[in-house]
Amino acid sequence: NAGVMQNPRHLVRRRGQEARLRCSPMKGHSHVYWYRQLPEEGLKFMVYLQKENIIDESGMPKERFSAEFPKEGPSILRIQQVVRGDSAAYFCASSPDLNTGELFFGEGSRLTVL
Amino acid sequence: TQLLEQSPQFLSIQEGENLTVYCNSSSVFSSLQWYRQEPGEGPVLLVTVVTGGEVKKLKRLTFQFGDARKDSSLHITAAQPGDTGLYLCAGVEGTYKYIFGTGTRLKVLA
Repeated sequence: NAGVMQNPRHLVRRRGQEARLRCSPMKGHSHVYWYRQLPEEGLKFMVYLQKENIIDESGMPKERFSAEFPKEGPSILRIQQVVRGDSAAYFCASSPDLNTGELFFGEGSRLTVL
Repeated sequence: TQLLEQSPQFLSIQEGENLTVYCNSSSVFSSLQWYRQEPGEGPVLLVTVVTGGEVKKLKRLTFQFGDARKDSSLHITAAQPGDTGLYLCAGVEGTYKYIFGTGTRLKVLA
């Protein structure tokens, strides 16, 4: 059973470009979380999704950021018109349901904005 | 959103020493987890504690959940270089929201 797969692992963008980060949860997992991590810091919650639904996006900036988890295919975190402050590691985590308690993390996507 | 403060933020010790990492909040969580993260990787779950006062042991690691379910500690006995990493506590808010702490970066020197 493959783990949570994130791609790309590293992404370089210039200011004003778009960044798309993909996350394929573990097989059978219908809950997906996105977190952002700055160097030497903990993880900051961004958004929680279930298949085709955004449940909680309270940690995501209202502008330029969006997330989706379609019926088919990976979850996508999209950042439009990137700025230098968007440079960070973005981690995706999945869980099978709300009762198991464990989050399974991918290896992260590291975005660098020049 | 509740905040979780971890202390110390950085810790560098010699192999064989003992250490304790703290995770504190002013609010109550339904459960609390500890994760370890190594460079270039995602966090991996170490333990979940649910009941106030609960103590769990995982080999040389001992985890405790405060009686009021607001704080937790992680104690490592006889630390080894393989214990090096970023330790993160995470409080579960409600049924689905995992709030991560500020992190403790541990380095164990051989």
